[in-house]
Amino acid sequence: EAGVAQSPRYKIIEKRQSVAFWCNPISGHATLYWYQQILGQGPKLLIQFQNNGVVDDSQLPKDRFSAERLKGVDSTLKIQPAKLEDSAVYLCASSLDYRALEQFFGPGTRLTVL
Amino acid sequence: AQTVTQSQPEMSVQEAETVTLSCTYDTSESDYYLFWYKQPPSRQMILVIRQEAYKQQNATENRFSVNFQKAAKSFSLKISDSQLGDAAMYFCAYRSENTGNQFYFGTGTSLTVIP
Repeated sequence: EAGVAQSPRYKIIEKRQSVAFWCNPISGHATLYWYQQILGQGPKLLIQFQNNGVVDDSQLPKDRFSAERLKGVDSTLKIQPAKLEDSAVYLCASSLDYRALEQFFGPGTRLTVL
Repeated sequence: AQTVTQSQPEMSVQEAETVTLSCTYDTSESDYYLFWYKQPPSRQMILVIRQEAYKQQNATENRFSVNFQKAAKSFSLKISDSQLGDAAMYFCAYRSENTGNQFYFGTGTSLTVIP
């Protein structure tokens, strides 16, 4: 079974630039999560999708962050414009549904904002 | 928001020895789940072990076991016969249906295994 795929693995941008991350969850998984993991901290949930609908985006900085999951499969997380404090690893995870006890994580994208 | 605390930023253990990683959490819920995730340098988070709060028996997965103390809100991970491949960041996590099934993670413990 293929795992959660993410790209790119690394990205370096200047502040005020835009960036987008892509995630392909495990086939058949209805729920998809985006986490932000700042160095030295645990992952923090940014947004949770159930199929193509948003379940929870309460911690997503909506003035600069956006995410979509068209057709309920792949997802894209965008930052526009980026700030220095957005430097972090962005993790994507998926689960069978929102009640599932186990989440499966991708390898993450390390973003550096200069 | 729920609080998960890991008070040991770094731990080390000799290969083949046993090490215990600590985790405490704050909740007013009675039904919830607790997890230990491992994050190696490759960054891919892997589930190590899970504990349901309604179960009194401590979970065990091969060399990994937990000491779940519900009243004390403590959830420690014991790694027996430590191996070099156990070196990683370990995150404790909490999840409850009453908080939207969201996972709350601690700040992690970096485990070094000394050959």
